[in-house]
Amino acid sequence: TQLLEQSPQFLSIQEGENLTVYCNSSSVFSSLQWYRQEPGEGPVLLVTVVTGGEVKKLKRLTFQFGDARKDSSLHITAAQPGDTGLYLCAGEALGGYQKVTFGIGTKLQVIP
Amino acid sequence: DTGVSQDPRHKITKRGQNVTFRCDPISEHNRLYWYRQTLGQGPEFLTYFQNEAQLEKSRLLSDRFSAERPKGSFSTLEIQRTEQGDSAMYLCASSLADLEKFYKYGYTFGSGTRLTVV
Repeated sequence: TQLLEQSPQFLSIQEGENLTVYCNSSSVFSSLQWYRQEPGEGPVLLVTVVTGGEVKKLKRLTFQFGDARKDSSLHITAAQPGDTGLYLCAGEALGGYQKVTFGIGTKLQVIP
Repeated sequence: DTGVSQDPRHKITKRGQNVTFRCDPISEHNRLYWYRQTLGQGPEFLTYFQNEAQLEKSRLLSDRFSAERPKGSFSTLEIQRTEQGDSAMYLCASSLADLEKFYKYGYTFGSGTRLTVV
């Protein structure tokens, strides 16, 4: 079983602040996805990173895949209340045929 | 297509009863997954199908759990003799088998079925 550790588990910040969320594992992944989940709903894909060292930007969100494809980070610039939610990283095992393992998640609250 | 539908949204049952959940995936998606999520945790993999074939089952899926996907369309997850520890959100997701599209679109999740065993 591949474990994905996310940190921090909880984060409460003021609107306009920057933040970084980390996702770490001892396992190598074919790809790593980031999802955002709101209460009472299923997770929604934000991005997939595939290549070691890859950086992807989605408006104010920047995602990075570690060189060894074992870890990833999500950086949010100038957080807004609409960013509030549970951020989940999910790793696809090598030869995993799209089956992903989710981390525990980071619960983000952005206070206006 | 309206996305992935799950029914019911909520289910309260007494310990020992059997329950069945239904998932209707996006019609052109040939892969279907079941995950379970408890409060404060990320989703845990239970099982997945490619078309009608169940390709993998997690060790979390005890003998009391069974999943089917007849004709490769909708899927059902049945829990027999429910226990309080079964209380959780049961999430269904579907995806395209094409890897490039999977990387672009990921899983499409339903809104889940919240099970409470009393």
